[in-house]
Amino acid sequence: NAGVTQTPKFRVLKTGQSMTLLCAQDMNHEYMYWYRQDPGMGLRLIHYSVGEGTTAKGEVPDGYNVSRLKKQNFLLGLESAAPSQTSVYFCASSYGPSGANVLTFGAGSRLTVL
Amino acid sequence: GENVEQHPSTLSVQEGDSAVIKCTYSDSASNYFPWYKQELGKGPQLIIDIRSNVGEKKDQRIAVTLNKTAKHFSLHITETQPEDSAVYFCAVNKLTFGKGTLLTVNP
Repeated sequence: NAGVTQTPKFRVLKTGQSMTLLCAQDMNHEYMYWYRQDPGMGLRLIHYSVGEGTTAKGEVPDGYNVSRLKKQNFLLGLESAAPSQTSVYFCASSYGPSGANVLTFGAGSRLTVL
Repeated sequence: GENVEQHPSTLSVQEGDSAVIKCTYSDSASNYFPWYKQELGKGPQLIIDIRSNVGEKKDQRIAVTLNKTAKHFSLHITETQPEDSAVYFCAVNKLTFGKGTLLTVNP
């Protein structure tokens, strides 16, 4: 049981390039989330999904797009990367929306934009 | 939206001492308060959580207390060990996290 798997683990981009981060979960969770983690800023929610085919904006959605075409996958895209998007990105999933459903996090993807 | 403040940002204790981290929140309707531990190079992992109908919860050396009236909740770690050294995050519901506390336990 792999839990939440993020690929790639590391990536270096030049300003203006595009890329996609993939998150895959094998727990049949309905909800999936993308967070970014910056020094001194904690974890900030970028986008989330409450089920296959749905997406919603979080606290810091600008510059990112997401898709949830399959229940087990949640993709985070950067269409035109900027240095401000240098960060560590974490994907998480949970069974449902209520407080009883714990977040399970991936190991993170470190992105550097030059 | 919800606003979560976490203090202190860094905490250094001697092995065997207790550590306390506190978070305050703004939305009185919030009802779920988890704490996560993040070790270097890894994703956060839940260590304990509490729901709004409970005032305190314990799990071995870890406890969480909730004061709904004052809108704050705290993580208590007793008999700290070097392996407790990590960054700890509080969260409210699942969407809003505190900025984290770097706990260092000195042998």
